[in-house]
Amino acid sequence: EAGVTQFPSHSVIEKGQTVTLRCDPISGHDNLYWYRRVMGKEIKFLLHFVKESKQDESGMPNNRFLAERTGGTYSTLKVQPAELEDSGVYFCASSQGGLLGGYTFGSGTRLTVV
Amino acid sequence: AQSVTQPDIHITVSEGASLELRCNYSYGATPYLFWYVQSPGQGLQLLLKYFSGDTLVQGIKGFEAEFKRSQSSFNLRKPSVHWSDAAEYFCAVATRVTGGGNKLTFGTGTQLKVEL
Repeated sequence: EAGVTQFPSHSVIEKGQTVTLRCDPISGHDNLYWYRRVMGKEIKFLLHFVKESKQDESGMPNNRFLAERTGGTYSTLKVQPAELEDSGVYFCASSQGGLLGGYTFGSGTRLTVV
Repeated sequence: AQSVTQPDIHITVSEGASLELRCNYSYGATPYLFWYVQSPGQGLQLLLKYFSGDTLVQGIKGFEAEFKRSQSSFNLRKPSVHWSDAAEYFCAVATRVTGGGNKLTFGTGTQLKVEL
């Protein structure tokens, strides 16, 4: 089966611009998660979708971040406007049975805001 | 609040030597614990997990970890390291959140370098 796909793999944008990251989970996986790792820090939870609904978005840093999951399939994470501190690696993961069934992570999108 | 500490930011070992990566957690309930590895250009790959039962857990690639409740630790070990094990290793604890979901709380990672 295909894994979790994220694109772009890298993005360099200027402060104030908008960027949209995309995640395609494993087909049939209802649970989709976004995480972020800022340089030198730990990987932090951003939010969790179950199908198209946001189950938990407690980790979203502020209202410049907007996540959507259309029709319970792929998800997008938009940052508008981007700030320097948004730089980092954004990971997506999916699972069928929740966390205890095991996540599969994508390879991440490295976002650099200059 | 839950937290995970990986005290070693960088570790260098010689190929063939044994390895132990340290992980300490703070969590009020019975923890669900994980070790992930990230090789360059790759996503996070699950090495092993502990939910309950035998406190010595076997994982992929010859790794194992031991859960010690009294020490709040979940250290990762490998008896003989291969050059391909050079990567970044993350310890994580799962926590339940409102609505029945779960999320992972990660440590800051340990970068492993293997000398040939």
